[in-house]
Amino acid sequence: DSGVTQTPKHLITATGQRVTLRCSPRSGDLSVYWYQQSLDQGLQFLIQYYNGEERAKGNILERFSAQQFPDLHSELNLSSLELGDSALYFCASSVWDSGQPQHFGDGTRLSIL
Amino acid sequence: GESVGLHLPTLSVQEGDNSIINCAYSNSASDYFIWYKQESGKGPQFIIDIRSNMDKRQGQRVTVLLNKTVKHLSLQIAATQPGDSAVYFCAENMSGTGANNLFFGTGTRLTVIP
Repeated sequence: DSGVTQTPKHLITATGQRVTLRCSPRSGDLSVYWYQQSLDQGLQFLIQYYNGEERAKGNILERFSAQQFPDLHSELNLSSLELGDSALYFCASSVWDSGQPQHFGDGTRLSIL
Repeated sequence: GESVGLHLPTLSVQEGDNSIINCAYSNSASDYFIWYKQESGKGPQFIIDIRSNMDKRQGQRVTVLLNKTVKHLSLQIAATQPGDSAVYFCAENMSGTGANNLFFGTGTRLTVIP
């Protein structure tokens, strides 16, 4: 158990809809990261927050957004969903903002019908 | 952009043998590397990390070797067990940028034959 909690484990929705994925980092970790894992793209970095502020952005679509709250949990919002958004979405956390191992949750599997 | 590639997509070994999983990275500015293990239905699990000021680091049954000259990373697993069957990823990072995002390779599937 990594100590990173993600909810829900599975999500099934339709195209055009909006969903919110939730992540609670390990106790004491200030940084939260979101990754997308699909069969054809592998693990891709989306966005990083450190102590409530956005730190780095990867190939995150404009339809996607995230935030980190004062209690350090994070949410990833995906809107105007398309079939291609079906993937596993992972959250990871680390103590600081760089040069630290990241510990991953078990992900949310998003299926778009 | 950065790319992290694995030489072999699959690896099968006999139980008890040693396993070696290789990884090539392309960004010479990367200075922090991590190996992860991912089992079916689970998130990547941290195995071991190494910084660029080292060329070898050992953990429990695992050793990571870093060759900066040829930008190559390897993970050695001693006395491989059935529980080691999983997909293994290497990941790289430039720790000095303040951005800790990791760039992952495509993964190697390790199958341990009992």
